[in-house]
Amino acid sequence: GAVVSQHPSWVICKSGTSVKIECRSLDFQATTMFWYRQFPKQSLMLMATSNEGSKATYEQGVEKDKFLINHASLTLSTLTVTSAHPEDSSFYICSARGTSGRMSSYNEQFFGPGTRLTVL
Amino acid sequence: KNEVEQSPQNLTAQEGEFITINCSYSVGISALHWLQQHPGGGIVSLFMLSSGKKKHGRLIATINIQEKHSSLHITASHPRDSAVYICAVRIISNFGNEKLTFGTGTRLTIIP
Repeated sequence: GAVVSQHPSWVICKSGTSVKIECRSLDFQATTMFWYRQFPKQSLMLMATSNEGSKATYEQGVEKDKFLINHASLTLSTLTVTSAHPEDSSFYICSARGTSGRMSSYNEQFFGPGTRLTVL
Repeated sequence: KNEVEQSPQNLTAQEGEFITINCSYSVGISALHWLQQHPGGGIVSLFMLSSGKKKHGRLIATINIQEKHSSLHITASHPRDSAVYICAVRIISNFGNEKLTFGTGTRLTIIP
């Protein structure tokens, strides 16, 4: 199946710094990318949805100025956690939906391996 | 009440047993996903269903749209199947975009 990669897989940073997480679709064009957050023993929670070339749509309660999302191309989206604090420590997962010749016409959705962020 | 309910929450079985995980949902959906999450956290998409049944190796997923119910079956279970299995439904919002709503997951442990 299609592959979605994330980088880095884990990051530890000091409180107050900014962290950028990259999400790439490796063999298909991702018209839509989703960013999720998962706290321990909880389910995934959607943070925002981004379509290539347009502004991201954030879920209620997610601060758009704190979690900056850029979807500059059909294969790359980035999430920047600005001025990170310990409460931002979580597992961040991106997911991509798109079409290619190898995928079904219904826009399957694939998940990245996740990035574990620890803010000290 | 959650829009997506999974059962059981936890399941422990012996190697070789036939496993069934259930998912019920209460809203109209355009598709349903079964996902697998290993302890390291990475998520693998196992199936996307909008009707009927799909099979991949030892995994079988079925969906009954009228009853708003889906099942994931694992035949000849193996310890490497131990993971959290998550049901997610794709819902069309009032704004026309599609979002996934996730169940809380079923933690499966297969004992050798």
